[in-house]
Amino acid sequence: GQQVMQIPQYQHVQEGEDFTTYCNSSTTLSNIQWYKQRPGGHPVFLIQLVKSGEVKKQKRLTFQFGEAKKNSSLHITATQTTDVGTYFCAGLSGTSYGKLTFGQGTILTVHP
Amino acid sequence: NAGVTQTPKFQVLKTGQSMTLQCAQDMNHEYMSWYRQDPGMGLRLIHYSVGAGITDQGEVPNGYNVSRSTTEDFPLRLLSAAPSQTSVYFCASSSSGLAEVSGANVLTFGAGSRLTVL
Repeated sequence: GQQVMQIPQYQHVQEGEDFTTYCNSSTTLSNIQWYKQRPGGHPVFLIQLVKSGEVKKQKRLTFQFGEAKKNSSLHITATQTTDVGTYFCAGLSGTSYGKLTFGQGTILTVHP
Repeated sequence: NAGVTQTPKFQVLKTGQSMTLQCAQDMNHEYMSWYRQDPGMGLRLIHYSVGAGITDQGEVPNGYNVSRSTTEDFPLRLLSAAPSQTSVYFCASSSSGLAEVSGANVLTFGAGSRLTVL
């Protein structure tokens, strides 16, 4: 079945440093989504990428979808303590419905 | 506008007991699903439903049953709880649509149910 691998599993940064997490799928994806889960909370949708090579930005967050639609990355510039949490990528194969396959997540810790 | 509501938030069971985790959504979403979250394992799909009367297995369905009699509700049943089912459970729903359409298939999660099986 489809597998989505995400690295690194953990990342500790000093406030102000950049952070990147990478996502790799074993199959070509229809789209890829990113979610953030604050400690003790539930996953919350951040963004969805659909097109090959797509790049989207949300303030300090930059999301990329690979040309082959099998990999993706999330980059945070100048991390803040409010960025702490677990970041998940989730891939969708096929044409419809939300049967997403999630990566293992990257736990981000930001030291002030 | 409640979104996805899960109950209970916390539950402690003894091995062999049964229970039902409730999930309800008020967004008229066709798709509903249950995930479990364990440390280092990410979110793993247990069961999902693409509409009332239709359910299917996900990645880790053993030990769990579901049904979907209405669009709004998607309960998850543990028939005979085992310690391996200690986890945090999330219900999530989405509207359906072509995967290429931005906004389709985006999951809205409930707050989670933390289950401990002794």
